[in-house]
Amino acid sequence: KAGVTQTPRYLIKTRGQQVTLSCSPISGHRSVSWYQQTPGQGLQFLFEYFSETQRNKGNFPGRFSGRQFSNSRSEMNVSTLELGDSALYLCASSRSGTGGGEQYFGPGTRLTVT
Amino acid sequence: QKEVEQNSGPLSVPEGAIASLNCTYSDRGSQSFFWYRQYSGKSPELIMSIYSNGDKEDGRFTAQLNKASQYVSLLIRDSQPSDSATYLCAVVMNSGGYQKVTFGIGTKLQVIP
Repeated sequence: KAGVTQTPRYLIKTRGQQVTLSCSPISGHRSVSWYQQTPGQGLQFLFEYFSETQRNKGNFPGRFSGRQFSNSRSEMNVSTLELGDSALYLCASSRSGTGGGEQYFGPGTRLTVT
Repeated sequence: QKEVEQNSGPLSVPEGAIASLNCTYSDRGSQSFFWYRQYSGKSPELIMSIYSNGDKEDGRFTAQLNKASQYVSLLIRDSQPSDSATYLCAVVMNSGGYQKVTFGIGTKLQVIP
């Protein structure tokens, strides 16, 4: 079974620009969660989607948004990029319908903001 | 108090020794716990899940859970240099009617040959 895929793998953007990241979950998984990982903060939860609905959201500004499509693929968008948004963005999929199951991570998108 | 606490390390152990990684959590109602391994430059990989008090063994790995003490640990027996990685503790917590997975900052393990 194919794993979680994320595109693009690497991205360099300039402050003020916006970016869209994509995630395709494992087949049959309907829950997709997004995390930001930085060396000092560890894995920070951004949001979780299930059946096209956002069920949970972390403590990030409104510049961070996401959506999920009917095929469970998900995108996250960051508008008006800041230097501090440079991080590894990870997507994880789960079979769980409650948000608390085993999660399987994609390879991540490394975003650098200059 | 952080929701999931881990010592960031590094924890250094000699090859062949037992590595003990610890994690405490704040939500007394948590029922599901996971350990992930993350190699440098890679994404986290699920290695163990535990749901009941006591020990759960899988090969060289043993997860231990004590809900009364809000404590979960991971033991790695016969540690190998290939075990050198960051180990993330993850705890499922109730959030707004649903559940979400909260991660600790991770403990960096170094196995010295």
